[in-house]
Amino acid sequence: SQQGEEDPQALSIQEGENATMNCSYKTSINNLQWYRQNSGRGLVHLILIRSNEREKHSGRLRVTLDTSKKSSSLLITASRAADTASYFCATPYSGTYKYIFGTGTRLKVLA
Amino acid sequence: EAQVTQNPRYLITVTGKKLTVTCSQNMNHEYMSWYRQDPGLGLRQIYYSMNVEVTDKGDVPEGYKVSRKEKRNFPLILESPSPNQTSLYFCASSYTGHTDTQYFGPGTRLTVL
Repeated sequence: SQQGEEDPQALSIQEGENATMNCSYKTSINNLQWYRQNSGRGLVHLILIRSNEREKHSGRLRVTLDTSKKSSSLLITASRAADTASYFCATPYSGTYKYIFGTGTRLKVLA
Repeated sequence: EAQVTQNPRYLITVTGKKLTVTCSQNMNHEYMSWYRQDPGLGLRQIYYSMNVEVTDKGDVPEGYKVSRKEKRNFPLILESPSPNQTSLYFCASSYTGHTDTQYFGPGTRLTVL
C-alpha cells in the first residue's frame, strides 16, 4: 500500500512554541487533508488544501503543500496544552475514492 | 446535530463468532468509509462506498464485508473474526468522497479472543 509518512513520529514542546509536522506521499493528488485525534477518539478535520494551492491558513494553523516534492507541512503557532493530540495527513489517491493516511505525529505540549 | 454514530463502542468477542458494527450518518453524505487503526500503522482503509449499492475495497479488505442498502447506513460485517482483527475501527462520511473532508464516528474498539 502507498501509505503516507509523517515526521516526526513524536514531538514534545513547551506551551507557546510553534510545532511543525511534515507529511510525504507517493501519488499525485487532488487535495491533502489534515486531521487531529485526541487519544483514542474520532478524528476531527482541521484543514484541506487543494493541489493548486501552496499555502492555507486557519486560525493558528498554517498548511503548505509542495506537489513537486510530494510533501506538506502543518504548522501550529503559539501552541497550547489543549493542542496535545495526534495529527494525521490524508489524501485520496488521485482520481479515486480510496484514501491514504499518514502514520501520524504525536504532539505533546507541556504547560 | 450532524454526526456519524457507531455501535457498539466496545466489543469483546471470540474467534469465529460473526459480528456487525453499525455506522449511521445524518448528513445525507454520498460517501462512507471504514478504517482500522493499529499502533504504528495509522489508519488503513477497509472498504468504502460512493453511493447506495456501490462499494469498493480499500487497502485491507480481507476478512470484512460491507453493504450499503440505504444512504445513511454502512455496516461492517466480520463473518469469522480472528485475533488479528483486534483493532480500533472508525466509520467516516463525506459529501463527495474525494474533494471534501470526512466526518468521523467515535470509534469501535474490538477485541477478538
